[in-house]
Amino acid sequence: AQSVAQPEDQVNVAEGNPLTVKCTYSVSGNPYLFWYVQYPNRGLQFLLKYITGDNLVKGSYGFEAEFNKSQTSFHLKKPSALVSDSALYFCAVRRMDTGRRALTFGSGTRLQVQP
Amino acid sequence: GAGVSQSPSNKVTEKGKDVELRCDPISGHTALYWYRQSLGQGLEFLIYFQGNSAPDKSGLPSDRFSAERTGGSVSTLTIQRTQQEDSAVYLCASSQARGPSEEQYFGPGTRLTVT
Repeated sequence: AQSVAQPEDQVNVAEGNPLTVKCTYSVSGNPYLFWYVQYPNRGLQFLLKYITGDNLVKGSYGFEAEFNKSQTSFHLKKPSALVSDSALYFCAVRRMDTGRRALTFGSGTRLQVQP
Repeated sequence: GAGVSQSPSNKVTEKGKDVELRCDPISGHTALYWYRQSLGQGLEFLIYFQGNSAPDKSGLPSDRFSAERTGGSVSTLTIQRTQQEDSAVYLCASSQARGPSEEQYFGPGTRLTVT
C-alpha cells in the first residue's frame, strides 16, 4: 500500500517571503513523487517530479522540492512567494516497481499568499 | 495541441438517475485515468485504461460505477442510480504511458451534484 500525508490544510505566507508546503509519503520500495497545483475551476497542473538522482528538483513557476529519503518527505518550496501562487497543491506518489500506474494523492494544501 | 477535455463541465441530477461523463484525452496518449475529488478530500483513483489491456478497475467504489474507452480514445464514465455521496468533481487524466515516472495531464473536471 502507498499513502501521502499533507499535514497542513492551509498555509499562509506574505508575498515575497519563502514558502514551504509539506508532504510525507509511505511506500514500499522506491517512490516516484509528484507535485501538482490546482487553480480555481481548473484541472491539476503538473509542477515537478522526483525520479532519481539529485534530491533537489526544480520545476515550473520557480518551485522546487527536496526529496529526503530518511524522512520520507518531499516538501515543496519557493524562495519568494507571489500572490498568483495562491492555489491548492497536491503531492502524489507512485511506486517505481509497480505496474499500477495510478497516482496516490494527498488531501491537498491550500496556499494563501497575502499581498 | 489541445489538452484533455471533459464534458459536461457541470451536471446536476436527481438521486436515482443515471449520468454519463465524457473525457477526450490528449491525442496520442494511450493511458487514461479517472479520479474523483470530493470536497475537502484528495483525489481518489477510480479506473485506468492502457491501450488494449484490461482496465484497472480497482478504484471503482461500487458496481454502480463503470467506464469504457472506445477506439482507444474517448472515455465515458457512467454512474447508475446516483446517490448524494456521488457528488464530487470527476477528473480525467491522460499520459503517453512511457513509464511509471511520467506525469499525467488533467482535464478541467466535471462537477457532479446529486440532489
